[in-house]
Amino acid sequence: KQEVTQIPAALSVPEGENLVLNCSFTDSAIYNLQWFRQDPGKGLTSLLLIQSSQREQTSGRLNASLDKSSGRSTLYIAASQPGDSATYLCAVKSEGGGADGLTFGKGTHLIIQP
Amino acid sequence: DVKVTQSSRYLVKRTGEKVFLECVQDMDHENMFWYRQDPGLGLRLIYFSYDVKMKEKGDIPEGYSVSREKKERFSLILESASTNQTSMYLCASSPLLATQYFGPGTRLTVL
Repeated sequence: KQEVTQIPAALSVPEGENLVLNCSFTDSAIYNLQWFRQDPGKGLTSLLLIQSSQREQTSGRLNASLDKSSGRSTLYIAASQPGDSATYLCAVKSEGGGADGLTFGKGTHLIIQP
Repeated sequence: DVKVTQSSRYLVKRTGEKVFLECVQDMDHENMFWYRQDPGLGLRLIYFSYDVKMKEKGDIPEGYSVSREKKERFSLILESASTNQTSMYLCASSPLLATQYFGPGTRLTVL
């Protein structure tokens, strides 16, 4: 059974710093990996989707990488801002047929200090 | 923009009541999903559907059922609500093997 782990569970950094969030998964047989953002009491917003054949995706100040063979992904946030404060979730879509759902990590709670 | 709506943001029910949570998407997506989110446990998949009238159990289906009579609507049913079903419920939809779009969530409290 797929398991997704995110490290660290919480992170607090001053504004302007570059930072890296880590995600690991136990079964490398995946279709894709997604990074989401969740604000308190709200739903999830998709940030980046990386297909299994890709190595990275970029959107603005965000860059996500995928090393499928080692079961790892990182989310890099450049020049962090207070508005980046949120919980960041990593999720994988495993192979195996059917439209099964995503397996989520428990998230990294990020606070950017002004 | 894709829009996924859920019928209620907050809901309070009593133990033993039958509870319906509704989810509607407007992008003609094949797949729809119900998750629950609990502190320390993260998001867990309850049920999903890949077509009208089709449903598959997720990781934690016990105590829940679902209905998908129309492509745009996916309902989660708690036949007899219990206090351990107090949680945040999130609905999502997606095309095949593509990104999932989430609704705003329903925070359900069972007293």
